[in-house]
Amino acid sequence: GAVVSQHPSRVICKSGTSVKIECRSLDFQATTMFWYRQFPKQSLMLMATSNEGSKATYEQGVEKDKFLINHASLTLSTLTVTSAHPEDSSFYICSAPTSGARSYNEQFFGPGTRLTVL
Amino acid sequence: AQSVTQLDSQVPVFEEAPVELRCNYSSSVSVYLFWYVQYPNQGLQLLLKYLSGSTLVKGINGFEAEFNKSQTSFHLRKPSVHISDTAEYFCAVRGMTTDSWGKLQFGAGTQVVVTP
Repeated sequence: GAVVSQHPSRVICKSGTSVKIECRSLDFQATTMFWYRQFPKQSLMLMATSNEGSKATYEQGVEKDKFLINHASLTLSTLTVTSAHPEDSSFYICSAPTSGARSYNEQFFGPGTRLTVL
Repeated sequence: AQSVTQLDSQVPVFEEAPVELRCNYSSSVSVYLFWYVQYPNQGLQLLLKYLSGSTLVKGINGFEAEFNKSQTSFHLRKPSVHISDTAEYFCAVRGMTTDSWGKLQFGAGTQVVVTP
């Protein structure tokens, strides 16, 4: 199947700093990518939809100024957690569908990024 | 909007025994249904999916699931588990409408612990 990578896999930062997480589709183009957040022993919650060439759309309750998303190319989306605080510590996972058409298409998930804010 | 309920948070099972993970959903529109597996500190891997057609779907690693529209269920089964099946399993749904495009709604997950 298609491959989605994330970098870094793990990051530890101090409170108040910003952290950038990259999501790449390695062997296909993705005009859309999705960012999820997973708290320990909990389910994945969709944070936002990243759209190449346009602004991201955020789910209700997600602060767009805190979680900045940039879909720089057809294979790269970045999530920047600005002024991170300990409550932002979580597992962040991205996914990308393999087709740009608005019909059923397979989604592939990245391996996730573990963010720990001290 | 859709919602997913996984009825068991944890399922202990002995090696080579069968396992069933329960999933119920609610939706005002027709949905696609999925089961994903997550190993520790990893992303999600698709086990199987129901799009249409036969209600019994077979996936990877010997898993299968049955879609029951009247009961709005999509239970996952495996007749004989291995130690390597120890993982978190997520049921997910996605509406077929354009405003639901790509957006997966996940259940809370079921932790399967396989012991010798």
